Amino acid sequence: AQKITQTQPGMFVQEKEAVTLDCTYDTSDQSYGLFWYKQPSSGEMIFLIYQGSYDEQNATEGRYSLNFQKARKSANLVISASQLGDSAMYFCAMREGSSSGGSNYKLTFGKGTLLTVNP
Amino acid sequence: AAGVIQSPRHLIKEKRETATLKCYPIPRHDTVYWYQQGPGQDPQFLISFYEKMQSDKGSIPDRFSAQQFSDYHSELNMSSLELGDSALYFCASSFDRGPHQPQHFGDGTRLSIL
Repeated sequence: AQKITQTQPGMFVQEKEAVTLDCTYDTSDQSYGLFWYKQPSSGEMIFLIYQGSYDEQNATEGRYSLNFQKARKSANLVISASQLGDSAMYFCAMREGSSSGGSNYKLTFGKGTLLTVNP
Repeated sequence: AAGVIQSPRHLIKEKRETATLKCYPIPRHDTVYWYQQGPGQDPQFLISFYEKMQSDKGSIPDRFSAQQFSDYHSELNMSSLELGDSALYFCASSFDRGPHQPQHFGDGTRLSIL
């Protein structure tokens, strides 16, 4: 079963408008982290924002906010006041808690959403 | 702030050759992860090291091996290269005390197999 589902292969938004990128996840762990990364066409992977499973408040980081609905297992990324430089691929990813100790907290990624910001 | 350093940025090899990718994690980060991202795909976990010991293994071919050295830098060794190995290879590092720390990625090595 897919652990991270991003249902929007592509999204378009007008400059200065807000946009929501969807992400749902599947885990049986109580402790997990949800992350959003931005990948421009140049290829680098840029960390944007993080939400912990125990966090009661939605995470915010500048123009980025995370709409975390734990019961629905969703962690949507909201970008406010879109800019042309926001055009990129956006990946939702999850790290799950490990019962075996050590450090096994690999990231599992969704398929990504390609955001295009129009002038 | 110091970031994850990967080298080389680009690498062109022919089939059946070998390649070595290097990764220098952020100072004081104790865990290194390697990911492979094929064209138009999401990154897939290959292997990870915690305090210089292999901590987890994903879909890494037997032709690939990796290690982490005493200075915490890591190398991914790839042998008998195939056309399907053409991909963007990322190294990421974090200070792992649970699943709540972000992994910080290097800029990646773009490997092309001719």
